Amino acid sequence: AQSVTQPDIHITVSEGASLELRCNYSYGATPYLFWYVQSPGQGLQLLLKYFSGDTLVQGIKGFEAEFKRSQSSFNLRKPSVHWSDAAEYFCAVVPLGNYGQNFVFGPGTRLSVLP
Amino acid sequence: ETGVTQTPRHLVMGMTNKKSLKCEQHLGHNAMYWYKQSAKKPLELMFVYSLEERVENNSVPSRFSPECPNSSHLFLHLHTLQPEDSALYLCASSQEDSATGELFFGEGSRLTVL
Repeated sequence: AQSVTQPDIHITVSEGASLELRCNYSYGATPYLFWYVQSPGQGLQLLLKYFSGDTLVQGIKGFEAEFKRSQSSFNLRKPSVHWSDAAEYFCAVVPLGNYGQNFVFGPGTRLSVLP
Repeated sequence: ETGVTQTPRHLVMGMTNKKSLKCEQHLGHNAMYWYKQSAKKPLELMFVYSLEERVENNSVPSRFSPECPNSSHLFLHLHTLQPEDSALYLCASSQEDSATGELFFGEGSRLTVL
């Protein structure tokens, strides 16, 4: 069965510091890959997605993610974190050719930002 | 209105009450979903409607009853809930014949069962 792991439950960084959130998936073929962000009390907002092509994808709010097939990873990065980035971040995968009901979400990583 | 709208945003109910959560999507999508998000638990898919037909149940207790009268509206009827049902209920929609089928979420309905 496919699975998504986010090894870090909680990360704290200082404002202005760089950020990397880890995501690994277990699946036989390369799936579609997504990162969502959830601010407190809010729904999930899509940050970026990867389907094919360039393995470095750009998203909203200055985020980017790099797909590494050899490592089955899709890590999220931001060069300089802002206090408003404090939120929960979810990595998700869905098999190629499948649809929303087959989304598999990771457990999430909570990001805290120090002033 | 754009995106996915959920009402009410907050709901407090007793164990014997009957209430409903409403979701409306303005994206022209053909699939809608209910997810449950509890503290320290992964997102749980509860129900899926594709082209207004329910396609997934995921063994949700019968005290939760979904209804999808058309492709833009989704309801979750609640009856005789338990305190452990307190959670954030998220509605999402997607276009199932698109290249990607990514989910678009509403802001959620925070349910507290007393």
